[in-house]
Amino acid sequence: VQLVESGGGLVQPGGSLRLSCAASGFTFSDHYMDWVRQAPGKGLEWVGRIRNKGDHYSTEYAASVKGRFTVSRDDSENLLFLQMNTLNSEDTALYYCSRDKDGAADYWGQGTLVTVSS
Amino acid sequence: DVVMTQSPLSLPVTLGQPASISCRSSQSLVRSDGSTFLSWFQQRPGQSPRRLIYKVSNRDSGVPDRFSGSASGTEFTLTINRVEAEDVGVYYCMQNSHWPLTIGGGTKVEIK
Repeated sequence: VQLVESGGGLVQPGGSLRLSCAASGFTFSDHYMDWVRQAPGKGLEWVGRIRNKGDHYSTEYAASVKGRFTVSRDDSENLLFLQMNTLNSEDTALYYCSRDKDGAADYWGQGTLVTVSS
Repeated sequence: DVVMTQSPLSLPVTLGQPASISCRSSQSLVRSDGSTFLSWFQQRPGQSPRRLIYKVSNRDSGVPDRFSGSASGTEFTLTINRVEAEDVGVYYCMQNSHWPLTIGGGTKVEIK
């Protein structure tokens, strides 16, 4: 199992960024997938989830990002996405993608850093 | 939202001695089907989190058997039987019984 995030970088407040997570080594389409972030020196914060096709690709979001962030997936390419709009300094964090199994993330990527600053 | 409260914040331990971390949920995590989605994660310095325990007491593959999870009502405990140097890091509990998924603030384990 491998999860590799990309797309992070420096963005100005109010800007947008799209993160990607490339999955391999397992049947991606079977699994729910999550995004979890970690601000510098802080704890983990769950961001959002997307379920599989069987559960209609339904999504869930943390209140702090709802309406600004969108989780999507491309099962044909084994890719997970996080579209982030209207970014602010509180969104500065290392963003991890993770695979859900047995009700919690059993594999995590190495993370991609998003810095929101002018 | 379910609040997950971990204690202690910091846990200095002696090599070879046991250590316990507590995680208390603000409400029951038992779902209508009887399952309880409480997991424990270890984050070593500079690394991504790693799941140790899922559904309260199930150890993940490759996790040493010195790690164990238990529960009593809304209090959940991660126990390290005999602490080794590689156990240094921050430990988090996470609940996924109720939306939104919530994570405890973390407990930093360090060697005395």
